[in-house]
Amino acid sequence: GQNIDQPTEMTATEGAIVQINCTYQTSGFNGLFWYQQHAGEAPTFLSYNVLDGLEEKGRFSSFLSRSKGYSYLLLKELQMKDSASYLCAAPPGGYNKLIFGAGTRLAVHP
Amino acid sequence: KAGVTQTPRYLIKTRGQQVTLSCSPISGHRSVSWYQQTPGQGLQFLFEYFSETQRNKGNFPGRFSGRQFSNSRSEMNVSTLELGDSALYLCASSLTGEVTDTQYFGPGTRLTVL
Repeated sequence: GQNIDQPTEMTATEGAIVQINCTYQTSGFNGLFWYQQHAGEAPTFLSYNVLDGLEEKGRFSSFLSRSKGYSYLLLKELQMKDSASYLCAAPPGGYNKLIFGAGTRLAVHP
Repeated sequence: KAGVTQTPRYLIKTRGQQVTLSCSPISGHRSVSWYQQTPGQGLQFLFEYFSETQRNKGNFPGRFSGRQFSNSRSEMNVSTLELGDSALYLCASSLTGEVTDTQYFGPGTRLTVL
């Protein structure tokens, strides 16, 4: 079966660093995606990891450990505009569809 | 390049009616997927189309159907609407339809069933 878990809510302070964790169990592994979704808007693609390790893209980095079924999204130098939901998603083996976690709602405070 | 577009953006229907939602993928993208997003269930996969064929289907009743045209545009239809069908319906397109390909989402259609 497929299961993706991530914390429901997190809060952080502007300028700080926050790490959003995601654990997954999927039938077959084809990589892991992170999306950002502001309230009332469409999810926007942040990152894709298929190999173990850290991928850095500006203020955002994403890490994957396939052996542990674990990923995290690291957001540095937080800005108020980073207040959003962050969705972890994976395509189950052989199928072009995404199974999403429930999303982590991040609130950034001044 | 224009992003994924969806029409209409908002819809209000009553129980028992049917509705058709439209999605135009990013130019050149061949795969279109549909998702339902609700506060209680989050984002759930409905179905995926590639070259006018439904390749994957989620766990939704037969009242939910879709199709894809030769220009890759897609429509989804929900018949005999129920209150629980109130949701944000998101369309996503990907270039190749490969399982590892990034899906890009449209702004969604917010459907309210009264």
